[in-house]
Amino acid sequence: AQTVTQSQPEMSVQEAETVTLSCTYDTSESDYYLFWYKQPPSRQMILVIRQEAYKQQNATENRFSVNFQKAAKSFSLKISDSQLGDAAMYFCAYRSPNAGNNRKLIWGLGTSLGVNP
Amino acid sequence: NAGVMQNPRHLVRRRGQEARLRCSPMKGHSHVYWYRQLPEEGLKFMVYLQKENIIDESGMPKERFSAEFPKEGPSILRIQQVVRGDSAAYFCASSPGFPSYEQYFGPGTRLTVT
Repeated sequence: AQTVTQSQPEMSVQEAETVTLSCTYDTSESDYYLFWYKQPPSRQMILVIRQEAYKQQNATENRFSVNFQKAAKSFSLKISDSQLGDAAMYFCAYRSPNAGNNRKLIWGLGTSLGVNP
Repeated sequence: NAGVMQNPRHLVRRRGQEARLRCSPMKGHSHVYWYRQLPEEGLKFMVYLQKENIIDESGMPKERFSAEFPKEGPSILRIQQVVRGDSAAYFCASSPGFPSYEQYFGPGTRLTVT
């Protein structure tokens, strides 16, 4: 069974600085999807970035980028130029490939990110 | 295009009552997923449905919980005879289906059992 581990329960960053959130996972599948979701105080789950395992290029979305190390089963999220609105819980999630009916997301426990002005 | 809608946003039930949580997927989406988030924990998958079919209920407790996604109307997650341990946030997500199974989340329903 697949597992997702986020080893940093809490982190903080100064406004305008860069922070990296860690995520490791375990799977025997060769193809899969990885996601970072943001959950602000409103509790709405917002997709930040996604990565397909077969793509070697790291995904990037504006100030958010990932460092995907497939052999190490590591998927970290880098937030550049941190803003106060980035303060939230961040969850790493895994999903099996589209074939078959196993489409559930498997979640880490989350990292609470604080942004200091 | 309206997002995933969930109602109610907050639900208070006494122990032993029934809770009904509703989820309206995004327009054009025929796949619905339910997740539960217990306090201070990540989300846990409960059930995956397509219209009129349960595809994967491997995360659903065997007793008191049921889910449906009828041909017309929202998906319903039903919890019978609620207990304090059912207090949690329940999130619904929807996806369009092949070729995209990207999941878009609703705002969640916070269930409090007193």
